[in-house]
Amino acid sequence: GAGVSQSPRYKVAKRGQDVALRCDPISGHVSLFWYQQALGQGPEFLTYFQNEAQLDKSGLPSDRFFAERPEGSVSTLKIQRTQQEDSAVYLCASSLVWGRDTQYFGPGTRLTVL
Amino acid sequence: ELKVEQNPLFLSMQEGKNYTIYCNYSTTSDRLYWYRQDPGKSLESLFVLLSNGAVKQEGRLMASLDTKARLSTLHITAAVHDLSATYFCAVDEPMDSNYQLIWGAGTKLIIKP
Repeated sequence: GAGVSQSPRYKVAKRGQDVALRCDPISGHVSLFWYQQALGQGPEFLTYFQNEAQLDKSGLPSDRFFAERPEGSVSTLKIQRTQQEDSAVYLCASSLVWGRDTQYFGPGTRLTVL
Repeated sequence: ELKVEQNPLFLSMQEGKNYTIYCNYSTTSDRLYWYRQDPGKSLESLFVLLSNGAVKQEGRLMASLDTKARLSTLHITAAVHDLSATYFCAVDEPMDSNYQLIWGAGTKLIIKP
């Protein structure tokens, strides 16, 4: 079956531009997570959805970051007025029911802000 | 604050050798995950260790968990080139509405022929 997919795989943005990153979770998975992974580091939690409800957004680094999952399936992570420090790989993961189930990861979107 | 520390962070070894990667964490979590990441690829789940004394094996990889020592190990037996990757451990920490995964920095493993 299909895994988690993310698009685009690579995104180059000029500083100050807005970007939108898409995640298609595994069909039927209730939980969806966004992570930020800097080069040579482990992923860092950004936000968590259970169906369409965003239950935890404590990891979002600033109010320029916004995530939504309006129909409880596809999710979009939006970054407004991108800064150079936003450059990273953004990973999406989904799990069947809740957060303690194994998380299945997408390939990530590598964002480079010039 | 929960901290997860892996060592070594980088390991270069010869095929056929054995080695162990260590993962220490700072809280009383009873669940630990090991993931593998190849360059430019997804994180792939390897093991979920659910209780003290848990041991799981898949091929040349064996993972164990000691919750009293707050330590997990990933042992590689008779390494082969295909095992070259970065290995992450992660521990879950309860948050308001869920559990959050807290990750180690990863161990980059290079296996030379």
